[in-house]
Amino acid sequence: AQSVAQPEDQVNVAEGNPLTVKCTYSVSGNPYLFWYVQYPNRGLQFLLKYITGDNLVKGSYGFEAEFNKSQTSFHLKKPSALVSDSALYFCAVGSTLGRLYFGRGTQLTVWP
Amino acid sequence: EPEVTQTPSHQVTQMGQEVILRCVPISNHLYFYWYRQILGQKVEFLVSFYNNEISEKSEIFDDQFSVERPDGSNFTLKIRSTKLEDSAMYFCASIRDPEAFFGQGTRLTVV
Repeated sequence: AQSVAQPEDQVNVAEGNPLTVKCTYSVSGNPYLFWYVQYPNRGLQFLLKYITGDNLVKGSYGFEAEFNKSQTSFHLKKPSALVSDSALYFCAVGSTLGRLYFGRGTQLTVWP
Repeated sequence: EPEVTQTPSHQVTQMGQEVILRCVPISNHLYFYWYRQILGQKVEFLVSFYNNEISEKSEIFDDQFSVERPDGSNFTLKIRSTKLEDSAMYFCASIRDPEAFFGQGTRLTVV
């Protein structure tokens, strides 16, 4: 069965510092991995995805994520956090045309 | 950029009433999904829809739920007799394989 774990409910960082939001997954076969962001009272907004190819994936707003097959991880990173990055972040795993399995979400707070 | 739109943004209904949540997916997409997010909990899959029929549904999607695409554009989720525990954000997604594009959601409050 496919599943996603986001071990941290909350991540707090100071503006300008690097941030990491962790995600590990369990899937049979090759994973398709996604990160979505949710701002208050908004829908889920696509950030980036890993399907195949380079393990380091670059996405919107300066975010990137590294696919690590041996550790079954897909951590979201950004070199320098902004206050406007504060939001709820969801990791998801899926397969072609299949449903997405979401993690519980991690609330990122970036303070000035 | 094309987007998925959902209406209404917020619906309050009495327990036992029927509700219909509407979604306009991105044109030329063929796969559609409904997800829900109970406050403070994870996003959960409800149902997927392809070629005018359900292709997969979760254990949450019981006989109280139904989906249809009545006019070739709108994609609706109907809850026949709402329960308090149906209160949640409901998200529609349309798929351009393998990426899902989500609407802004409908917040359903059952009182």
